[in-house]
Amino acid sequence: GNSVTQMEGPVTLSEEAFLTINCTYTATGYPSLFWYVQYPGEGLQLLLKATKADDKGSNKGFEATYRKETTSFHLEKGSVQVSDSAVYFCALDTGRRALTFGSGTRLQVQP
Amino acid sequence: NAGVTQTPKFQVLKTGQSMTLQCAQDMNHEYMSWYRQDPGMGLRLIHYSVGAGITDQGEVPNGYNVSRSTTEDFPLRLLSAAPSQTSVYFCASSFTGKKVGYTFGSGTRLTVV
Repeated sequence: GNSVTQMEGPVTLSEEAFLTINCTYTATGYPSLFWYVQYPGEGLQLLLKATKADDKGSNKGFEATYRKETTSFHLEKGSVQVSDSAVYFCALDTGRRALTFGSGTRLQVQP
Repeated sequence: NAGVTQTPKFQVLKTGQSMTLQCAQDMNHEYMSWYRQDPGMGLRLIHYSVGAGITDQGEVPNGYNVSRSTTEDFPLRLLSAAPSQTSVYFCASSFTGKKVGYTFGSGTRLTVV
């Protein structure tokens, strides 16, 4: 079956530090890959997506590249801000039913 | 621009009670799904639907029932609430599913005592 594995958190960084959150996946077929963000007390928002191998998704300074050879979709940001503190979820969709999520990674950015 | 609307936002139930969590979307999305979110476990799929009249089970369907009589609505029914169903529930919808991602509701926080 399909599965997504994310690095465990919490990840604690100082403002302006570089961020990487690792995500690897197992899937049948050719999934689309997503990063969702959940701010405290809120629902999930789509952060970025990639629909085929070597695609790079980007939004709000965050980037992730769909790597089929390593089955990975790592999230990166060059300089984090306190406002980026949230829980980040990696997810995949094969188009057959619904999203499969990783367990989430909590990011805490300190001023 | 309502998007996906979930009601209620908060609910406390006693063990054995039944209730329905409502989910409605106004985007003419075909795909709809229900998830529960528990600490450290991400989001787990309860039930999903790929169109009106079509539903199927996800990873954790036991104790829940769904129906999809219209494109807009996808209610989730708890048949006999148990403390293990204490969770935050999210409804999501998508037009094509694979390419554009899903839109999520703001969630329902359910406590079963």
